[in-house]
Amino acid sequence: GAGVSQTPSNKVTEKGKYVELRCDPISGHTALYWYRQSLGQGPEFLIYFQGTGAADDSGLPNDRFFAVRPEGSVSTLKIQRTERGDSAVYLCASKKQGDTEAFFGQGTRLTVV
Amino acid sequence: AQSVSQHNHHVILSEAASLELGCNYSYGGTVNLFWYVQYPGQHLQLLLKYFSGDPLVKGIKGFEAEFIKSKFSFNLRKPSVQWSDTAEYFCAVGNSGYALNFGKGTSLLVTP
Repeated sequence: GAGVSQTPSNKVTEKGKYVELRCDPISGHTALYWYRQSLGQGPEFLIYFQGTGAADDSGLPNDRFFAVRPEGSVSTLKIQRTERGDSAVYLCASKKQGDTEAFFGQGTRLTVV
Repeated sequence: AQSVSQHNHHVILSEAASLELGCNYSYGGTVNLFWYVQYPGQHLQLLLKYFSGDPLVKGIKGFEAEFIKSKFSFNLRKPSVQWSDTAEYFCAVGNSGYALNFGKGTSLLVTP
């Protein structure tokens, strides 16, 4: 049983570029969450999927951020026109229906230069 | 809106010392409370959780936490820490979908 897998583990991009971050949840987990963790802070909720649909996207900071989960498994977090302030570790977590514990991936460290 | 406050940002203890990390939350409804740990270079892992019932919750590795509703607190405790407990500890409040609202974290260093 593999855990939550996130790729890439590190991403360096130039300001203004577009990036995609991928999350492979644990097989069979219907709930998927994205968080962002800035230096010295706790993880900050971005978006929550139940199946294919975004059940709660209230944490997305602005319209440059978008996430999809077209088949209810893999999810992609997309950031347009990246800014230096987007630099952070982006965490993904997944949870089985009816369970209370979410399992986290190692995260993608995004650096915008 | 939910918020979580962790009082201690950096804690240094000697092995065998007792640990208590403070966590206060603000939320008017039913709360689901969690403590997560992140060991150096590893992903976040659940230490323990509280949903209902006995307010004293026992987790993995000898950790426990007590939910005190009147104080809006969920402090983490361990009677005797080990060097291997060196890690970042996060308190979190969950909503109905279990999207978590985390505190800023407490960095614990245990010295031999």
